[in-house]
This record gives sequence, C-alpha cells and structure tokens, in this order.
Amino acid sequence: EEQALESGGGLVQPGGSLKLSCQVSGFIFSTYPMNWVRQAPGKGLEWVSTISGSGDTTHYADSVKGRFTISRDNSKNTVYLQMNSLRAEDTAVYYCACGGDSALLTWFDPWGQGTLVTVSS
Amino acid sequence: EIVMTQSPATLSVSPGERATLSCRASQSVSNNLAWYQQKRGQAPRLLIYGASTRAAGIPARFSGSGSGTEFTLTISSLQPEDFAVYYCQQYNDWWTFGQGTKVEIK
Repeated sequence: EEQALESGGGLVQPGGSLKLSCQVSGFIFSTYPMNWVRQAPGKGLEWVSTISGSGDTTHYADSVKGRFTISRDNSKNTVYLQMNSLRAEDTAVYYCACGGDSALLTWFDPWGQGTLVTVSS
Repeated sequence: EIVMTQSPATLSVSPGERATLSCRASQSVSNNLAWYQQKRGQAPRLLIYGASTRAAGIPARFSGSGSGTEFTLTISSLQPEDFAVYYCQQYNDWWTFGQGTKVEIK
C-alpha cells in the first residue's frame, strides 16, 4: 500500500525558513511526480508545487514562486519543500501528495496526513 | 489560471438521499478532473479521476460525470460516513482546486 508521511512543520517567525520532508513507501517512487498542497485554517485546498519523477521539472504557484523550492531524493524515496521568507499567510497544513499517474499533469493519490506550519512572531 | 467553481457551497441532505455536487471550470479541462473527499481533521482522499473513473476502494454509490467545463459528482444514497467536504481539481493546465462543497446532515 502506498503511503506518504510528512515531517518538519512547526512554528517559525515571519521572514524565517523551514524545510518540510515527505517520505513515501509502497511504490516505485522515481516513476511518479510529487506535489505539495496546503490548506490554511478553515480554508480550502491550494496547490503549491510539483516536481517530476526525475526531478528535472518543477512548477510553483505564483504565491510561493521565488520563495519555496521543491526537490526530491529518489534514493531515499523523499520529497522536500524548502520554504524561505515565510509570511503569516503561509500558515497552513502542508500535505504532500503523490502523482496518481507517471504523467506530470495528473491527479493526486495518495496524500500524506499533513504537517502544520505556523508563521507568527 | 483556470478557476474552478463549485456549487452549492453547502448541501443539506438526509441519510439515504441522493446528493448532486457541481463543478465548473473557467475554460475547458477536457476530462482531466478529479474529486476528493475530506473529513474533518483528515487528509483529502481521492474519489474520482478522469472525470468518471472511481479510485480503488471507492464505493459504487459515488459517480462522476461531465467533460469540458461542467462536471458533477453524485452520491446515490448518502451514508453517515459521507458527510464531509468535497473538492474538485483540474489537472489539465497545471493544478487548481474548487473552493469545496460541504455536505451536511439535514
């Protein structure tokens, strides 16, 4: 069974940095794109970033472009999200989600349980 | 950016009744449309992809239809565990989610 497990969330001051990790098990990790999606308290889902299976293609939402960097280590079945210059509006639960298909443009399945990032002084 | 609009925002339904949720795209997304269910305090779960294909383990009471810009998720007979928030997502042109429809007990 495919599973994803995030870690690295916590409380950080505005302007600070945080790096999230997501370790995946149960399938051929390098075959599938990986994604980060966030959900602010009481709000809906917002796509944040996507990386291809090989790691050579990345995409970002405009709201995080230039501040966040997605990467992956296929030898460790892990995807990362480096978050810099954090703002209060980045406060959210961050989910990693596997691509449902090997194509880059695909649905998300499965999802991790999420990790909470709080940006506050 | 493709904008996804879901309606209604809240749907009040009695157990055993049928629920119909709508999702509209601001431009055609072909059939590159997924539906997710999210219960309070949990991660989203994939229900439907390709507009109409049920994900593994999803009960047959969930069905999806539509293409282009208009999509529908139908729950044929609501069970107690189906009361949740439902999101549509397009993956034709990057990725965007609708704002969600909350299905609550009437």
